[in-house]
Amino acid sequence: DAGITQSPRYKITETGRQVTLMCHQTWSHSYMFWYRQDLGHGLRLIYYSAAADITDKGEVPDGYVVSRSKTENFPLTLESATRSQTSVYFCASRDSPSNQPQHFGDGTRLSIL
Amino acid sequence: QQQVKQSPQSLIVQKGGISIINCAYENTAFDYFPWYQQFPGKGPALLIAIRPDVSEKKEGRFTISFNKSAKQFSLHIMDSQPGDSATYFCAARITSGTYKYIFGTGTRLKVLA
Repeated sequence: DAGITQSPRYKITETGRQVTLMCHQTWSHSYMFWYRQDLGHGLRLIYYSAAADITDKGEVPDGYVVSRSKTENFPLTLESATRSQTSVYFCASRDSPSNQPQHFGDGTRLSIL
Repeated sequence: QQQVKQSPQSLIVQKGGISIINCAYENTAFDYFPWYQQFPGKGPALLIAIRPDVSEKKEGRFTISFNKSAKQFSLHIMDSQPGDSATYFCAARITSGTYKYIFGTGTRLKVLA
């Protein structure tokens, strides 16, 4: 099915471990985004990508790493997880014209113990 | 700092009533103002959007009112239904570069049957 899928949907890990959240979209959208959603903060942009091999920092990039070797995939890695990174993470994508809306995945709920 | 302030944080409305959610912004470098609806366990989905050259936009029971001089915009849900119970986010799009979005902190709406 066409769309944007995130995996895993739920993840529990421990502080200091590395964890990677996956995002895959089937539309061939140019732009992809990673947000975290926390109560009282809404959605905050972590990283975004304008095309394969082009990534840039968002509002809260510290502690995260992204890559985009293929247009359809945009993984987010927490290199050494901390409790403050417990959150719900959403991936989104958008087609190239600026007037196109963002489409969100259903999120990954990440708990760091 | 670019911000979008959203209120109230939560809202309870009787079935058939009007739900009103307000957002305000300070930065004038925004050119597009969408509202997103999010159900539990799902990603945000675009509900309705407006551009600053329009004062009002209506789609079914959902209306956006936009006051450019006051830098405020609001979502009105007429004849609110229990199925409208969700979290609503306003957003503002930055008028340059990647056209990133700044999101409000969200409003959790509960419509009582």
